[in-house]
Amino acid sequence: QVRLQESGPGLVRPSETLSLTCTVSGGPVTNFFWNWIRQPAGKGLEWIGRIFNSGLINYNPSLKNRVTMSVDAANNQISLKMTSLTAADTAVYYCARSQSRFDPWGQGTLVTVSS
Amino acid sequence: EIVLTQSPATLSSSPGERLTLSCGASQSINNNYLVWYQHRPGLAPRLLIFDGFRRAAGIPDRFSGSGSGTHFTLTITKLEPEDFAVYICQQHAYSPITFGGGTKVE
Repeated sequence: QVRLQESGPGLVRPSETLSLTCTVSGGPVTNFFWNWIRQPAGKGLEWIGRIFNSGLINYNPSLKNRVTMSVDAANNQISLKMTSLTAADTAVYYCARSQSRFDPWGQGTLVTVSS
Repeated sequence: EIVLTQSPATLSSSPGERLTLSCGASQSINNNYLVWYQHRPGLAPRLLIFDGFRRAAGIPDRFSGSGSGTHFTLTITKLEPEDFAVYICQQHAYSPITFGGGTKVE
């Protein structure tokens, strides 16, 4: 059974860069699409982007200039970097597998942007 | 981008009831590329329905999806205690992928 676990700093200061990791167990990261999705408190889910084997990457245009995704096949991890954070980036961040219908998901990690 | 509007926002229900949740799209969703998830607090979202009507593996048959074009429906027959959750629709016919705001079943 494939399981995903997000990890990150929890608290980030405004204007800094966020780095998150999604560790995959029970299956390989290669040859699958991996997505990052976030949900601010009280709001809906927002798709951030997806990556396939480091060679195919799609970002949400609303975040494209601030986001970078990568795959670390050796450690079976997917990473997300987001620059120039503001309070509006405070959210629970999820990783999920698949190109279109997301399954499975991780439980999410809360990121708070505050000084 | 495609806007998905879910209604109602909140649905007060009791075990055993039949529920109908709606998801409306701002444009027609090609190929019924419409997905439903269940999200319980503190847990990972769970895939329920894809392609508008296909149940994901292990999903009980009390969950069913229907609809086409700009209007889709998730029906839950005989609500079970574990079904109290937020239900979210998602489209992947157009980029960027977008989600509805969710319906909370309480």
